[in-house]
Amino acid sequence: DTGVSQDPRHKITKRGQNVTFRCDPISEHNRLYWYRQTLGQGPEFLTYFQNEAQLEKSRLLSDRFSAERPKGSFSTLEIQRTEQGDSAMYLCASSQGGAGYTFGSGTRLTVV
Amino acid sequence: GQNIDQPTEMTATEGAIVQINCTYQTSGFNGLFWYQQHAGEAPTFLSYNVLDGLEEKGRFSSFLSRSKGYSYLLLKELQMKDSASYLCAVRDKDQAGTALIFGKGTTLSVSS
Repeated sequence: DTGVSQDPRHKITKRGQNVTFRCDPISEHNRLYWYRQTLGQGPEFLTYFQNEAQLEKSRLLSDRFSAERPKGSFSTLEIQRTEQGDSAMYLCASSQGGAGYTFGSGTRLTVV
Repeated sequence: GQNIDQPTEMTATEGAIVQINCTYQTSGFNGLFWYQQHAGEAPTFLSYNVLDGLEEKGRFSSFLSRSKGYSYLLLKELQMKDSASYLCAVRDKDQAGTALIFGKGTTLSVSS
């Protein structure tokens, strides 16, 4: 296992388009988290899964955002009708139980 | 509300010792984490404190005082490669399960 993988690494999209990102966590990790990070800021929590169940969603997560983890393994984060304010680095992390996170390299989204 | 404060920037010279402070105010507490993040890369785990006291790991040490809502990260024998952002994060079990709440990060610049 090579760690947490995210795809794509970079995404440029036009405003109003939909985008989907994928995260493959470390295989034995049961918890998966999505964060968003903008320049000069720390990561902001979006949502997390324990196995396939989405247990918490941040108030930051508008109705345009949806995340799934259908089989308790990989997860997808979709943003509908993208806006320029959605431009950020989207980070996925995984953990086993209450341990610290392992982050993926992130997907950098630019909305033009 | 949730609040995590750390200095925005610090500078130091190679071989020196630097202490990065973090204060937090959260509705719950279940551990404090320090992460290192190089520009354009994902955060990597450095240390974890859940009980008061000092945790030492090589050149890096982290201290926690729960009664004061205070932690610091101590970096010894600084190297150029230590130039990075250092993120303080708190696990607030009253919010978002085991999700971490991050500070904005402290950018450390190490010069020769």
